[in-house]
Amino acid sequence: SYVLTQPPSVSVAPGQTARITCGGDIIGTYSVHWYQQKPGQAPVLVVYDDSDRPSGIPERFSGSKSGKTATLTISRVEAGDEADYYCQVWDSLSDHRVFGGGTKVTVL
Amino acid sequence: QVQLQESGPGLVKPSGTLSLTCAVSGGSISNTYWWNWVRQPPGKGLEWIGEIYHSGSTNYNPSLKTRVIISVDKSKNHFSLILSSVTAADTAVYYCARDDGSGSPYFDYWGQGTLVTVSS
Repeated sequence: SYVLTQPPSVSVAPGQTARITCGGDIIGTYSVHWYQQKPGQAPVLVVYDDSDRPSGIPERFSGSKSGKTATLTISRVEAGDEADYYCQVWDSLSDHRVFGGGTKVTVL
Repeated sequence: QVQLQESGPGLVKPSGTLSLTCAVSGGSISNTYWWNWVRQPPGKGLEWIGEIYHSGSTNYNPSLKTRVIISVDKSKNHFSLILSSVTAADTAVYYCARDDGSGSPYFDYWGQGTLVTVSS
C-alpha cells in the first residue's frame, strides 16, 4: 500500500510560519486532508481536499499541493498550535485510507 | 451535531479477542457515510483499521484484514469492531470516526477514543 512521509518534528517561534510536508507517490493523484491532534484528544480536521478549511478553523491554517508533496502551512503560529499533525489520503483503487506518520509541531 | 462514543473492555488478554462498539447519536447510521475504526498505539501515529457502510459493505486495512470484523446494527444505531488473536502490539487508543461520504472522503467526526491494553 501507499506510504505518506512526514518530517517527525518541526519547531517554530511564536508569530512565525510553520510548514509541514507530506510526500508520496499517491499525493499527485488524490486529495490530501490534514488533522491536528493535541495530547489526550481525538484528531480534528483542519484542512480537507488539499486546501479547504472546515468551518471554525482559523484562516492561519492553509494547505497546498505540488507534484508529490502536500504542505500544511500555519501562519502566525500561536502556543495553542502545538500539536501533532497528520496528513491522510483516500486510495480510491483499493478504497483504503492512509495516514502519514505525523509531525510534532513545537512552539519555541 | 453528530456524536460518536466508543465503549468496551479496557483490558484484553493476549491471544484473546478485542470487542468495541461505537454508538452514533445526532444522526442515523443509515445515512450516506462510511463508519470507520482508527487506532493509535501509545506514542505512535494513527492507523486506519477499516470501515463499514450501513448496507454491511466493508473495507479493511490489508495488514489487519485476517483478524478484523466490523459490523453494523442499524436498529441500535451503532457499529462494532472485533479484532482477534490480539498481542501487545494491539495495545492502542481505538477511535471510531465518520467519513464525510464525499468523492475523496475525510474523517469529519471522531469519538473521544478508548484505550485498550493487551496484557495478562
